[in-house]
Amino acid sequence: DQQVKQNSPSLSVQEGRISILNCDYTNSMFDYFLWYKKYPAEGPTFLISISSIKDKNEDGRFTVFLNKSAKHLSLHIVPSQPGDSAVYFCAASATGNQFYFGTGTSLTVIP
Amino acid sequence: DADVTQTPRNRITKTGKRIMLECSQTKGHDRMYWYRQDPGLGLRLIYYSFDVKDINKGEISDGYSVSRQAQAKFSLSLESAIPNQTALYFCATSDRRGGNLNEQFFGPGTRLTVL
Repeated sequence: DQQVKQNSPSLSVQEGRISILNCDYTNSMFDYFLWYKKYPAEGPTFLISISSIKDKNEDGRFTVFLNKSAKHLSLHIVPSQPGDSAVYFCAASATGNQFYFGTGTSLTVIP
Repeated sequence: DADVTQTPRNRITKTGKRIMLECSQTKGHDRMYWYRQDPGLGLRLIYYSFDVKDINKGEISDGYSVSRQAQAKFSLSLESAIPNQTALYFCATSDRRGGNLNEQFFGPGTRLTVL
């Protein structure tokens, strides 16, 4: 059973606007969450992370929000740029050892 | 040069054949992982290793085996390949001593097709 879910397979956004990617999880023991970005024919690359002791982490145009009570996290990209077009995966871990990934959301930023 | 390399990048094989996928890293990381990616299922962990003498099963280890030949090398074997093992396979590394303890660095992937 999928412990990390990304219910939107795809998202299209105009350049300059905000992109919001969502992720839900079921395991309340998860205490560390990461977002990865993946371009075609490449491996995923780390984007941003958040631990369960925080509810927000920001890095430049990227902000991750964590709502533990709702078991929900989101990635905000502001402003969105065409180079942000990629597949985004969220991942979660309870021990820092084994990671569970979502199914990915394909983001297209329209110039 | 890439920090995490995978060979081969593409492989087509037949049912019942033994296949080995290899991963090498120059990052000096102690932890290595094998994942597979399937459409609609995301990445799923097959095996992981925290040092040369440490091997752990992931979510979907059945039908696979691994060998950690050295800190820098981690290979994945399919003893008798079957069609539902057709997938994109990724190797990843991480460093327990790193500032971002849980960040993983991925190789470019191996596309395996089992006919």
